[in-house]
Amino acid sequence: AQKITQTQPGMFVQEKEAVTLDCTYDTSDPSYGLFWYKQPSSGEMIFLIYQGSYDQQNATEGRYSLNFQKARKSANLVISASQLGDSAMYFCAMREPDRGSTLGRLYFGRGTQLTVWP
Amino acid sequence: NAGVTQTPKFQVLKTGQSMTLQCAQDMNHEYMSWYRQDPGMGLRLIHYSVGAGITDQGEVPNGYNVSRSTTEDFPLRLLSAAPSQTSVYFCASHGRVKNEQFFGPGTRLTVL
Repeated sequence: AQKITQTQPGMFVQEKEAVTLDCTYDTSDPSYGLFWYKQPSSGEMIFLIYQGSYDQQNATEGRYSLNFQKARKSANLVISASQLGDSAMYFCAMREPDRGSTLGRLYFGRGTQLTVWP
Repeated sequence: NAGVTQTPKFQVLKTGQSMTLQCAQDMNHEYMSWYRQDPGMGLRLIHYSVGAGITDQGEVPNGYNVSRSTTEDFPLRLLSAAPSQTSVYFCASHGRVKNEQFFGPGTRLTVL
């Protein structure tokens, strides 16, 4: 079963508008971490934002915010005031909890290709 | 601070050839992993290691071997390359700080 599901293969948004990229996750652990990464056409993986499962507030980093709904197991990325440079592939990921000396694994979704048009 | 480095950046192999993709990190991270990225498939875990001398299989381990003799290095070996292994390979590492995961720049491998 997929641990991370991104249901939107592609999204389009006009410059300066906000866009939400969906992500749902599957875990029975109470402790976990959620990540979003951006992958531009150049190929590198760029860390955007992190949300811990016990964090009370939604994470924000500049124009990026994570809409964390724990009961629904969703961790949607919201990009406000989209820019042309935001066009890229976006990946959601979940890190399992560390178990003693063994660090948790990281699972990725299949990604959403965001295109920002002028 | 170099972070995670990968070599080579590009490689072309013929079917049946062997090679090793190198990955190194200088952050003293215990956890290192290899992913392959194919169009429409996201990042799939090949092998991972939770410390020197400890490795385990991920989702797609067939055709690949790993070893972890030091904390810094985690090479990925293709014993007999196949066209199905044409992909982009990423190495990643993380430590105990939970919100940090570092990726290498990737290796683009083509098997003819």
